[in-house]
Amino acid sequence: NAGVMQNPRHLVRRRGQEARLRCSPMKGHSHVYWYRQLPEEGLKFMVYLQKENIIDESGMPKERFSAEFPKEGPSILRIQQVVRGDSAAYFCASSPGGFGNQPQHFGDGTRLSIL
Amino acid sequence: AQSVTQLDSQVPVFEEAPVELRCNYSSSVSVYLFWYVQYPNQGLQLLLKYLSGSTLVESINGFEAEFNKSQTSFHLRKPSVHISDTAEYFCALTLQGAQKLVFGQGTRLTINP
Repeated sequence: NAGVMQNPRHLVRRRGQEARLRCSPMKGHSHVYWYRQLPEEGLKFMVYLQKENIIDESGMPKERFSAEFPKEGPSILRIQQVVRGDSAAYFCASSPGGFGNQPQHFGDGTRLSIL
Repeated sequence: AQSVTQLDSQVPVFEEAPVELRCNYSSSVSVYLFWYVQYPNQGLQLLLKYLSGSTLVESINGFEAEFNKSQTSFHLRKPSVHISDTAEYFCALTLQGAQKLVFGQGTRLTINP
């Protein structure tokens, strides 16, 4: 499967724990995007990364959230000290370039539940 | 700031009936427009896109959308729906030269037999 791979598909954490979500882009894609989908809402942009660089993090909450896309390995979205309001579906997308006319391809998401 | 408005949160239709899912956008600069479909517990799949050229764009499974600049709309249509079209549909835009997608709230299409 050459699509965008996200894992885990489901993640359960207790309040105060850390959550790590992983995303491997499509083969040949070097641009990664993270979006959050809250219940009954559309997707909201969080962050846009290229290898080793954060290009746009205008949608990231100021605290507890961080993202990286290292030279080797998947992109990671990290949420520290999770709270109930972090419960959502987190989607990763990738594209071959950073131009808006190159459609983004999405993974199946990680559904995060906070107990 | 840019925004996308999907006017209907839910649209129920009978099988083989026509359907239109409405999408309006707001932007002071040129945009690219997209429709994505999301089946239960899955990610989003690109349905069709408008980048430039012909204002009518079509998908391989019978959907079409028309870009109307004067009305700032990009409505999605299908002349005859099937049960398998049951899903949530999202309209989205990017600014030309930008990367992040701005999504509408989504429209849940339910097909009744």
